[in-house]
Amino acid sequence: TQLLEQSPQFLSIQEGENLTVYCNSSSVFSSLQWYRQEPGEGPVLLVTVVTGGEVKKLKRLTFQFGDARKDSSLHITAAQPGDTGLYLCAGARGTASKLTFGTGTRLQVTL
Amino acid sequence: KAGVTQTPRYLIKTRGQQVTLSCSPISGHRSVSWYQQTPGQGLQFLFEYFSETQRNKGNFPGRFSGRQFSNSRSEMNVSTLELGDSALYLCASSPRAAGTNSPLHFGNGTRLTVT
Repeated sequence: TQLLEQSPQFLSIQEGENLTVYCNSSSVFSSLQWYRQEPGEGPVLLVTVVTGGEVKKLKRLTFQFGDARKDSSLHITAAQPGDTGLYLCAGARGTASKLTFGTGTRLQVTL
Repeated sequence: KAGVTQTPRYLIKTRGQQVTLSCSPISGHRSVSWYQQTPGQGLQFLFEYFSETQRNKGNFPGRFSGRQFSNSRSEMNVSTLELGDSALYLCASSPRAAGTNSPLHFGNGTRLTVT
């Protein structure tokens, strides 16, 4: 059973476009993390959100945790080719060392 | 500061064999978690070790086992390999085992192919 569903699964956009990736669950998480994974490498943590309704910005990336702590979104403004990769959300319940990962969104940004 | 190191990077084994993968965490990190990544199932939690004790275990058969040494280095073992065990095995270290804000630092994984 996949507890965290991400949409869309694949996204191919041109440089300069905006996009939003969604991470949804029927379960409540105590925190949610977003990772980016590039080919041949492990996932790299982008952000952790803890409080319901929390919004965090990381340069052109904006992360939001839903009020009920069941969902999250990642918005990228003016995407660049360097944003290409697999974006993964991961929810923690109790201990953050045991994460439930989302299904992933593969983003490709072309010139 | 050196990152998480996993060895080997690539491994090819035959059905029925057993394999041992190694993970060296970031210096000072006492928690090591293992994940299996496949195209169909995504990233799935295998187990977590903290101070040489297994704290959490995912839904994998007993053929998957692990251990952690006093220097926090960890190994995972898979016995009686099956074709479905082909995957990228990722190790992640963390400074703490408990707490909702403990970040995971992943290695680049070991790509296991079972033929």
